[in-house]
Amino acid sequence: DGGITQSPKYLFRKEGQNVTLSCEQNLNHDAMYWYRQDPGQGLRLIYYSQIVNDFQKGDIAEGYSVSREKKESFPLTVTSAQKNPTAFYLCASSTRDSLDTQYFGPGTRLTVL
Amino acid sequence: LAKTTQPISMDSYEGQEVNITCSHNNIATNDYITWYQQFPSQGPRFIIQGYKTKVTNEVASLFIPADRKSSTLSLPRVSLSDTAVYYCLVGDTARDSSYKLIFGSGTRLLVRP
Repeated sequence: DGGITQSPKYLFRKEGQNVTLSCEQNLNHDAMYWYRQDPGQGLRLIYYSQIVNDFQKGDIAEGYSVSREKKESFPLTVTSAQKNPTAFYLCASSTRDSLDTQYFGPGTRLTVL
Repeated sequence: LAKTTQPISMDSYEGQEVNITCSHNNIATNDYITWYQQFPSQGPRFIIQGYKTKVTNEVASLFIPADRKSSTLSLPRVSLSDTAVYYCLVGDTARDSSYKLIFGSGTRLLVRP
């Protein structure tokens, strides 16, 4: 089955700890994205990558970091510098020819205690 | 910056047709209009995309007038399972030619029995 996976589904961390969220896709997509969603709100773009070893900041990149060493993987690290990290995190991917048509993973709900 | 405006919420009953209108006054010449559906605690799912006139697929229809400053998503004969948040998006091309989607708050559709 082709798709995009995120793990874990739920994550709890203590304040001040860094945490890394996993995102893997086997759709052979070049572009990958990370979004944050707060309750009752739309999605906000954190980082995106259109090719391996390259990525750009989105609208709310402060306190987050990413890497894109492999085409199929785009992990997101939520650092201790992120002031309010509790949120629902969504990863997506798309082809470079159709950036509007993004395929989303199931999401990771991060709670910082 | 291409932005969209859509109603915050809508109510309907099973079996009715639902039309959700979105305005995008600053849409660029080469932008497509894309609609996504999101259920609680899940990632958004692509529904339909269009550039002008009318597009129809097995799930919905999308009507776009000639000036492309608005679009209407039409869901025929909705069921309870269509209760979700619906997002209307147009792209945003940055100065460095990178492209990203802008998610607003969406329209919360509630389908009643």
